[in-house]
Amino acid sequence: QITLQESGPTLGKPTQTLTLTCSFSGFSLNTSGVGVGWIRQPPGKALEWLALIDWDDDKRYSPSLKSRLTITKDSSKNQVVLRMTNMGPMDTATYYCARRGPDIVFDYWGQGTLVTVSS
Amino acid sequence: DIQMTQSPSTLSASVGDRVTITCRASQSISNWLAWYQQKPGKAPKLLIYKASSLESGVPSRFSGSGSGTEFTLTISSLQPDDFATYYCQQYNSYWTFGQGTKVEIK
Repeated sequence: QITLQESGPTLGKPTQTLTLTCSFSGFSLNTSGVGVGWIRQPPGKALEWLALIDWDDDKRYSPSLKSRLTITKDSSKNQVVLRMTNMGPMDTATYYCARRGPDIVFDYWGQGTLVTVSS
Repeated sequence: DIQMTQSPSTLSASVGDRVTITCRASQSISNWLAWYQQKPGKAPKLLIYKASSLESGVPSRFSGSGSGTEFTLTISSLQPDDFATYYCQQYNSYWTFGQGTKVEIK
């Protein structure tokens, strides 16, 4: 059974750095073709892909947010970490992590974690 | 960046109706198109990938078609569990979602 779970702060202040952790089970990030991505959704709005890390440590970022994002993995711990610098109110959203399977789509998702940025 | 545009934004339908949602890409994405269903407070659920491949466990009333820049998601006979928001997503170049189509009860 594949599961993913996001964890991190629920509240942040403007200019702070957000660190979110995705803990997963049921698959390995050492498996060829597998990756873990982060997607966010502001309240009442659409989904936005942020970043993805592959089994071979290849990293890809949304062009519009690339300068603010860092994604890393610890395959031994089955965790992926996303860091977003210089947070602002527009970063208030539910943040999801999801497995990118061999078909290149996000086939398993975590339940999401709501992050509110406010002074 | 590849932009994805869905229509309509909201769709009112009744149980048993045939429902079609359209998704257009700003440039050709071949068949690298997925559809997701999302219910309030829940994570998206993968329905279809590669434009027309049904994800395991998804009811056969869901189907997808299209290639290039024009794609459709069809629900052949709408069921009470299908009232939700649907998103298309391209994965030809990175990953981009459409703005969503809310299917509501008529």
